[in-house]
Amino acid sequence: GAVVSQHPSWVICKSGTSVKIECRSLDFQATTMFWYRQFPKQSLMLMATSNEGSKATYEQGVEKDKFLINHASLTLSTLTVTSAHPEDSSFYICSAPTAGVSRVGANVLTFGAGSRLTVL
Amino acid sequence: GQQLNQSPQSMFIQEGEDVSMNCTSSSIFNTWLWYKQDPGEGPVLLIALYKAGELTSNGRLTAQFGITRKDSFLNISASIPSDVGIYFCAGQSYSGSARQLTFGSGTQLTVLP
Repeated sequence: GAVVSQHPSWVICKSGTSVKIECRSLDFQATTMFWYRQFPKQSLMLMATSNEGSKATYEQGVEKDKFLINHASLTLSTLTVTSAHPEDSSFYICSAPTAGVSRVGANVLTFGAGSRLTVL
Repeated sequence: GQQLNQSPQSMFIQEGEDVSMNCTSSSIFNTWLWYKQDPGEGPVLLIALYKAGELTSNGRLTAQFGITRKDSFLNISASIPSDVGIYFCAGQSYSGSARQLTFGSGTQLTVLP
C-alpha cells in the first residue's frame, strides 16, 4: 500500500535555529501534501497544503514566513520551521492523498509517522 | 467552518468488552474516515466510508456512515490490549481541489487487562 515517509522522526534544536522536516511519498506521486500540527492530547490541526509547482496554501493564523513549505517534486515536500522558539515545539505530521477504493475523487490521506520537534 | 463532535473523549474498558464511539457534524460530509493513532506515530487509516448508510467491517472493527451524512460511528468488538490508542474520525467534503479532512477531537481508548 501507499507509504509516506517522514524524516526526522524527532529533532531537538536551540531557540533561533531553523529545522527542516521532509515528507516523501515512497511508491506514488503526490501533487498535493498536507502538513498538520498536533499538541499533546489534541487533534490534528491543518497548517498548510503543499502544492507541487506552486505556492503552498496556509490556513488562517499560520505564519507562512515562519513555516516555509517547498514541494520540490512529485514525491517530496519539506517544512522548514525558521527561527524556532520553544512555543514551536510540537508534533508535525505530513500526509498525502491516495486514491479511494470505490469512488473516483474520494481520496483518503495516508500519514507519515510524524516528527517531534523540541526547541530548547 | 465545519465542526466535528467526537465522543466520548476517553474510555476505560476491560479486555474483551465491546467499544463504541461516534462523531457528529454540523454539515454534510461525502466521506467519513476512521483513523487510529498510537503514541508518537502518525494516524493509520482503519475504515473508509463513501456512501450514506454504508456499513463496513475491518476485522473486529465496524463503522457506519449515517443516513443524514452528518454522523458516523465506530464499534470495536472483543477489545484487546493492542487496541489502546487514540481514535479519530474525519470527515471529507469535496470543495474544489482542496480535499481536506476535518478531524474530530479524538477518543482515547484504554484497555485494562
